[in-house]
Amino acid sequence: GEDVEQSLFLSVREGDSSVINCTYTDSSSTYLYWYKQEPGAGLQLLTYIFSNMDMKQDQRLTVLLNKKDKHLSLRIADTQTGDSAIYFCAETDSGGYQKVTFGTGTKLQVIP
Amino acid sequence: KAGVTQTPRYLIKTRGQQVTLSCSPISGHRSVSWYQQTPGQGLQFLFEYFSETQRNKGNFPGRFSGRQFSNSRSEMNVSTLELGDSALYLCASRTSDSYEQYFGPGTRLTVT
Repeated sequence: GEDVEQSLFLSVREGDSSVINCTYTDSSSTYLYWYKQEPGAGLQLLTYIFSNMDMKQDQRLTVLLNKKDKHLSLRIADTQTGDSAIYFCAETDSGGYQKVTFGTGTKLQVIP
Repeated sequence: KAGVTQTPRYLIKTRGQQVTLSCSPISGHRSVSWYQQTPGQGLQFLFEYFSETQRNKGNFPGRFSGRQFSNSRSEMNVSTLELGDSALYLCASRTSDSYEQYFGPGTRLTVT
């Protein structure tokens, strides 16, 4: 079955760049997503990338996809304290029926 | 547009009871998916409904069921509650031709 792995914790200083990494096993993944979850809240879709792309940039966010290594990363430029949250990587199954498999989540701590 | 709404936000039940959670998708969204989030298991897919039909189902016992109404609102039901059912239950909606899912704030269920 599908499996999505992330490191559990990342700590960065305010103003630095953050890079959150994710690996997945399903080679037929269609879309790969990054979600943000703040304490007590639901998930906020940050960005997503189609599997035939290798990069997507959206303001401070850059997503890199290495399909050969099944590795996805999210870079947050100029990290702010408001970026402190848990970040989930996710992928859709090849069936396209939106059965989304989530990673374990990476807790990003931004130090002022 | 209003976002995805879930009711109730918090719920406390006793083992053996049953519970019904409700989700109202974003207007125009016909697909509704449900997820369970626990500290131990992370985010796990429960099921997806589209046009009142269940299209996909995760690996949960039959005590977990759902339905979708003609106005796309969805309910999920958990019967014979167990302590391990304590979790944040998240609902997400999307349009039929989009891979972008939008999540509600979740219902925090505590089973005592």
